Amino acid sequence: GAGVSQSPRYKVAKRGQDVALRCDPISGHVSLFWYQQALGQGPEFLTYFQNEAQLDKSGLPSDRFFAERPEGSVSTLKIQRTQQEDSAVYLCASSLGGGETQYFGPGTRLLVL
Amino acid sequence: SQQGEEDPQALSIQEGENATMNCSYKTSINNLQWYRQNSGRGLVHLILIRSNEREKHSGRLRVTLDTSKKSSSLLITASRAADTASYFCATDADTGGFKTIFGAGTRLFVKA
Repeated sequence: GAGVSQSPRYKVAKRGQDVALRCDPISGHVSLFWYQQALGQGPEFLTYFQNEAQLDKSGLPSDRFFAERPEGSVSTLKIQRTQQEDSAVYLCASSLGGGETQYFGPGTRLLVL
Repeated sequence: SQQGEEDPQALSIQEGENATMNCSYKTSINNLQWYRQNSGRGLVHLILIRSNEREKHSGRLRVTLDTSKKSSSLLITASRAADTASYFCATDADTGGFKTIFGAGTRLFVKA
């Protein structure tokens, strides 16, 4: 079937604006991960869902970051009052279960001006 | 902070040569995965090796895991220009959590 998709692919926001990033995982995948990747760095874990339950949000950098997956499929990462340091690529990945191969989407490149 | 550390940070070789990248990590793990990322693209999964495995092959790729040294290596044999990319190792810590930790990556450049 189709892979992981993310939208938008690119987002330019003014500092202080709220943004919402969407992830459509592979159908049937229980696990969903969000990562933040700065230029030239490896992905940094943000949060993990098992179905609709957010089991780990230890990587969210501040309370301005919020993620949800209300029906255990599509997930949204919301960033409130964006700051310049939020500029990065936000990657979503899904897997059949925890500890299994993760399949990544193309990412959303966020630029905060 | 990121748990995995790749070595070297950058590697430049001629087409046809072998490329070896190393990864070290800090805590006990359930498994270790290697990913490739082409510039501006998403990550592509290469190999998953579990903590009770020592070596795994996939085509021109060979991965080894030494849990006593908390290290892994990725060998690409007979490299091609298309192998030019960044390579990351990622670990699932054996702590009961769900966090996957990536290293900073090795940037491989294969000259034609």
